[in-house]
Amino acid sequence: GDSVTQMEGPVTLSEEAFLTINCTYTATGYPSLFWYVQYPGEGLQLLLKATKADDKGSNKGFEATYRKETTSFHLEKGSVQVSDSAVYFCALRPGPTNAGGTSYGKLTFGQGTILTVHP
Amino acid sequence: DGGITQSPKYLFRKEGQNVTLSCEQNLNHDAMYWYRQDPGQGLRLIYYSQIVNDFQKGDIAEGYSVSREKKESFPLTVTSAQKNPTAFYLCASSRGQFNQPQHFGDGTRLSIL
Repeated sequence: GDSVTQMEGPVTLSEEAFLTINCTYTATGYPSLFWYVQYPGEGLQLLLKATKADDKGSNKGFEATYRKETTSFHLEKGSVQVSDSAVYFCALRPGPTNAGGTSYGKLTFGQGTILTVHP
Repeated sequence: DGGITQSPKYLFRKEGQNVTLSCEQNLNHDAMYWYRQDPGQGLRLIYYSQIVNDFQKGDIAEGYSVSREKKESFPLTVTSAQKNPTAFYLCASSRGQFNQPQHFGDGTRLSIL
């Protein structure tokens, strides 16, 4: 079945440092890929997405490129801020199938990476 | 503004009691989902529904039940058969197309008295 693997955390950085959170996936076909962010006590917010190979998703200074050859979707930011401290989840949604649709639309999440940014 | 509303934000359950978590969306999304999140862990799918009056079990459906009588609403009942219900519950919705993201509510934290 589909799976998503994120780098283990927690990740602790100083303000203005460069951030990379690795994400690799296993899926058949052409899934769509997403990064979500969760602040303490809140739900998940969509950070960015990419729906086909070589697409780059970007938002609020974060970027991730859909690499089909390496099955990866690593999250990067050039200069983190204290306000970026949160839990980050990588997720995939299967592409269309003809297999009865039982997995249609379901998201598979990674285990999450806790990011803490110090001033 | 369009979005997903979950209520209550905090809920307490006594032993042997069923409790129902509310989820309402005004995004006109066809699909809705319930997830469970335990501390330090990712999300696990409980139930999902692609259309009204239809729903499917997710990965951890035992001890839970749902209904989908209206497009906007997808309540989750945590039954007494769920022996470890303490968790953070998240509701989500999405359009049906495969490349569309899921949008999440702010969650309900359920605790056992």
